[in-house]
Amino acid sequence: EDQVTQSPEALRLQEGESSSLNCSYTVSGLRGLFWYRQDPGKGPEFLFTLYSAGEEKEKERLKATLTKKESFLHITAPKPEDSATYLCAVQAGDYKLSFGAGTTVTVRA
Amino acid sequence: DVKVTQSSRYLVKRTGEKVFLECVQDMDHENMFWYRQDPGLGLRLIYFSYDVKMKEKGDIPEGYSVSREKKERFSLILESASTNQTSMYLCASSPHETQYFGPGTRLLVL
Repeated sequence: EDQVTQSPEALRLQEGESSSLNCSYTVSGLRGLFWYRQDPGKGPEFLFTLYSAGEEKEKERLKATLTKKESFLHITAPKPEDSATYLCAVQAGDYKLSFGAGTTVTVRA
Repeated sequence: DVKVTQSSRYLVKRTGEKVFLECVQDMDHENMFWYRQDPGLGLRLIYFSYDVKMKEKGDIPEGYSVSREKKERFSLILESASTNQTSMYLCASSPHETQYFGPGTRLLVL
């Protein structure tokens, strides 16, 4: 059974204070690893897909990296608008996703 | 832009009622999914569909059914709503690997 563990559960940052979120996974035959952002009361918004170890992707202040056992989402010089819950998910042999519980990031001005 | 819409943002229903949640996507995606999201439990897959009139059970299908009569529309049905089905319901569609989510329906069953 696929397992996805995200840490920490919650992260409080000062504006401009860079940090990283972790997503550890156990899956048989990784097809892709996905990062989503979710604002309160809304649906998840797609951020990145990573397919193989060593791959990196960037979008504004966010950078996602992938190894064979985990993925990191780095937030560089965060702003208050980066406050959200960040979800990690893995996909194995079919199109189903297995999600982690998420990391809630709060950025204070 | 991918557009996934859900028929209601908020719903309040009584125990025992039949509840329909509708999801529509406008990108001609083959695959559609229904999840529920609960605090501490994350997103859990209820049902999914890879084609019209086709459906597959996800991880928690009990108490739910689905219908996909047209490619763009995927309906989730609660045959007899119960209080433990109070949750946030999320629909997603995908052309291949990446899933795109709708805004969600927050359902309260009294």
